[in-house]
Amino acid sequence: AQKVTQAQTEISVVEKEDVTLDCVYETRDTTYYLFWYKQPPSGELVFLIRRNSFDEQNEISGRYSWNFQKSTSSFNFTITASQVVDSAVYFCALSEWDQAGTALIFGKGTTLSVSS
Amino acid sequence: GAVVSQHPSRVICKSGTSVKIECRSLDFQATTMFWYRQFPKQSLMLMATSNEGSKATYEQGVEKDKFLINHASLTLSTLTVTSAHPEDSSFYICSAKLQGFNEKLFFGSGTQLSVL
Repeated sequence: AQKVTQAQTEISVVEKEDVTLDCVYETRDTTYYLFWYKQPPSGELVFLIRRNSFDEQNEISGRYSWNFQKSTSSFNFTITASQVVDSAVYFCALSEWDQAGTALIFGKGTTLSVSS
Repeated sequence: GAVVSQHPSRVICKSGTSVKIECRSLDFQATTMFWYRQFPKQSLMLMATSNEGSKATYEQGVEKDKFLINHASLTLSTLTVTSAHPEDSSFYICSAKLQGFNEKLFFGSGTQLSVL
């Protein structure tokens, strides 16, 4: 069975601090996708990144970076120099490598609060 | 980028009435759409997978007679909550799959349903 665990329920930081959101997943599939989404207070889901299982290169996009380690089944997300606008719930998600159409399995989310 | 429009964004209804939520892919065709439900401060739970031209596939524990899904065209899926009760109050989010080599999921902005 597939499962995504985000052990950190809530994180509070002060602006300009770096913060890492943890994500650990379980799957029996050898190929799969991993995602991170941001859900601001307004409720919509904002796509941040998709990574396929055979690409273990770390990725950096502005203040965001992702560390994918297949050996430990982790896909952690780091925000550098956090800002108040980063305050949101962040979800890690997993899906099978399936061309026919596959839903995402979400973690429970980590609520990030950035104060000024 | 691809856009998924979800309507209405918020609905308040009396107990016993039915509510229809629409999910449209605005600039791409989506043979597969997904419906999720999110309780306050909880993760997104998959309710059903909607395939154009065929019956939806419901997740275990989701009542198909209560949550009617229709995917009549390649750009529209609807979720009807029939005979709504207060316990159906929740945030409902749809997503549409953009197929192809770089397939990914796009999410609607969600519908907050409040049943009085």
